[in-house]
Amino acid sequence: AQRVTQPEKLLSVFKGAPVELKCNYSYSGSPELFWYVQYSRQRLQLLLRHISRESIKGFTADLNKGETSFHLKKPFAQEEDSAMYYCALKNRDDKIIFGKGTRLHILP
Amino acid sequence: DVKVTQSSRYLVKRTGEKVFLECVQDMDHENMFWYRQDPGLGLRLIYFSYDVKMKEKGDIPEGYSVSREKKERFSLILESASTNQTSMYLCASRPTLGSGANVLTFGAGSRLTVL
Repeated sequence: AQRVTQPEKLLSVFKGAPVELKCNYSYSGSPELFWYVQYSRQRLQLLLRHISRESIKGFTADLNKGETSFHLKKPFAQEEDSAMYYCALKNRDDKIIFGKGTRLHILP
Repeated sequence: DVKVTQSSRYLVKRTGEKVFLECVQDMDHENMFWYRQDPGLGLRLIYFSYDVKMKEKGDIPEGYSVSREKKERFSLILESASTNQTSMYLCASRPTLGSGANVLTFGAGSRLTVL
C-alpha cells in the first residue's frame, strides 16, 4: 500500500536549534513528494517539493530512496516556523495522499 | 494568485440533514479534491475529480457524494449528516500541466459541526 508516515505528532525545538521533521513513505518506483505547511489561521500551502530541489524559508528536504524518507530540515529554527507540517505523496492513481502531520512548536 | 473559495466557513447542522459544501476555483484547474482534516488523522481524501463530470473515490467516500457540473465548481454533499462527520473540510485544486503541476492550492476550509 502507498503510505506516508510522520512518526512525531508534536516536535518542540528551541529557537536557534536545528529542526528535523521526519517523513517516511512506502511506494515502489519514483515517488513525487511534497511538504505542506499550515500556519495558525492560514490556509494549507505548499512549502517545497522534491523535484524543485530548492530551499524555502531555510527549509530543505532530500529524497532518500534507500531509506524511503523525505525528512524536512532547517539548521536554525525561528519562532515563525511554528506550524503544522504535512508530508505528502502523489500516488500511482494520481491522488495526493498525506501523512498525519507534525506540529512544530518553537520555544523561545 | 490562484484562488480556491469555499462558500461556508462555519456550518452547524443537525443529524440527518442534507449538507452541501461548495468550492470554486478561478484558475481553470482540471483536478479538484475534497479532504477532511481531523486532529491526529491528518488529511484524508474523500473524493477527487479529474475533470468535469468525472469523479473518483478517495480513501473515505462513505456517507459523501460529489458533483462537478462545471470545471470551476466542485461540491461535496452529505446526504444525511451524522455526528462523526463533524470535521474541517478542505477543498483543493491543481493543474495537470506546467511548473505548478501536481501542486495543490487549498481553500480556507469549512468547519462543519453536526449536532
